[in-house]
Amino acid sequence: QKEVEQDPGPLSVPEGAIVSLNCTYSNSAFQYFMWYRQYSRKGPELLMYTYSSGNKEDGRFTAQVDKSSKYISLFIRDSQPSDSATYLCAVNTGRAAGNKLTFGGGTRVLVKP
Amino acid sequence: KAGVTQTPRYLIKTRGQQVTLSCSPISGHRSVSWYQQTPGQGLQFLFEYFSETQRNKGNFPGRFSGRQFSNSRSEMNVSTLELGDSALYLCASSLENSYGYTFGSGTRLTVV
Repeated sequence: QKEVEQDPGPLSVPEGAIVSLNCTYSNSAFQYFMWYRQYSRKGPELLMYTYSSGNKEDGRFTAQVDKSSKYISLFIRDSQPSDSATYLCAVNTGRAAGNKLTFGGGTRVLVKP
Repeated sequence: KAGVTQTPRYLIKTRGQQVTLSCSPISGHRSVSWYQQTPGQGLQFLFEYFSETQRNKGNFPGRFSGRQFSNSRSEMNVSTLELGDSALYLCASSLENSYGYTFGSGTRLTVV
């Protein structure tokens, strides 16, 4: 079993809809949670970074962390065709682990005009 | 502000050969990490360097190695290439105590 599970999709939504993405993780030692967006032929781009349980909002993006359930989510409001990409969740146990990130497998998202 | 630069972008090698990939981090970033991305295994951590010292290592065989220079530039080397080493190799850099990792566009390695 992988440490971080993520539905591969693809997830297809109409323009303007809310995109809902999620990951589950197995190790309660994970304390830092990130969401990356990756376009084809590009490296991942950091979207959101959270530490504690709860919500964090940045523009059209909202990240949620529920440590009790080991569940993390990303919501994209008013989705645009330019949001079509693969979204990756990533976790880290903290500074002692350095920059070792454990990634989910990624979810492909397609926003149709 | 220049991003993370990886060279070359594409590489084709033959089984048994060795390869060296290069990464230039963002100016001021002293931490450099390397990841392997494949369709089957996704993104997997290879190693991290900080101030020329390997700080962390993933579960890869000894054929995978790396180093960091005094100017923070980093190289990774894969010896005795196998077909399964075909992947996108990504480098990420960050400030010392930051989780704001910035990835390069990667080097696409194909082993034939």
